[in-house]
Amino acid sequence: EAGVTQSPTHLIKTRGQQATLRCSPISGHTSVYWYQQALGLGLQFLLWYDEGEERNRGNFPPRFSGRQFPNYSSELNVNALELEDSALYLCASSQDIPMGNTEAFFGQGTRLTVV
Amino acid sequence: AQRVTQPEKLLSVFKGAPVELKCNYSYSGSPELFWYVQYSRQRLQLLLRHISRESIKGFTADLNKGETSFHLKKPFAQEEDSAMYYCALSGSGGSYIPTFGRGTSLIVHP
Repeated sequence: EAGVTQSPTHLIKTRGQQATLRCSPISGHTSVYWYQQALGLGLQFLLWYDEGEERNRGNFPPRFSGRQFPNYSSELNVNALELEDSALYLCASSQDIPMGNTEAFFGQGTRLTVV
Repeated sequence: AQRVTQPEKLLSVFKGAPVELKCNYSYSGSPELFWYVQYSRQRLQLLLRHISRESIKGFTADLNKGETSFHLKKPFAQEEDSAMYYCALSGSGGSYIPTFGRGTSLIVHP
């Protein structure tokens, strides 16, 4: 069974540009989470999508946005890139949430570098 | 709001020594607690969850609701345990977003 896949692996952008990151969850998983992993800050929650809807977002500006497609894959868009956006962006998926006791499966991440 | 605190950024021990990685949480409801591990050049993966009360790779963790802690322990550390460890909390009652601590880097010296 294929795990969570993210593309691209690496992305280099110039300040002010837009970046699009993609995530394919494990088959059967309807929830997708996006995290930013910046050096020394751990995993900061960005966005949560479930059944095509944005369910919650973390404490990030509106230029961080995304969507989930009917096949449950997801896109993260970052507009007006700033140098501080350079980080590893992780996507995780989980099954439909029954009781909250759900393991999250992570992708390898997209390393975004803003120059 | 839910919060996870891992007070140690780095924990360095020698092989065979006991290990305890600390995790404290803040959550008003009934939490689900997890430990995730990230070995070098590998993706983040689940190590164990409190609800299953199991031992994985010799690691155990007990949920202490009184102290709001979920410390990860292993009696005898091995070199292959060297990794980044993240404590995570997933709330119930509609707040299912896994919240992670900042992580503790465990280095086990030979």
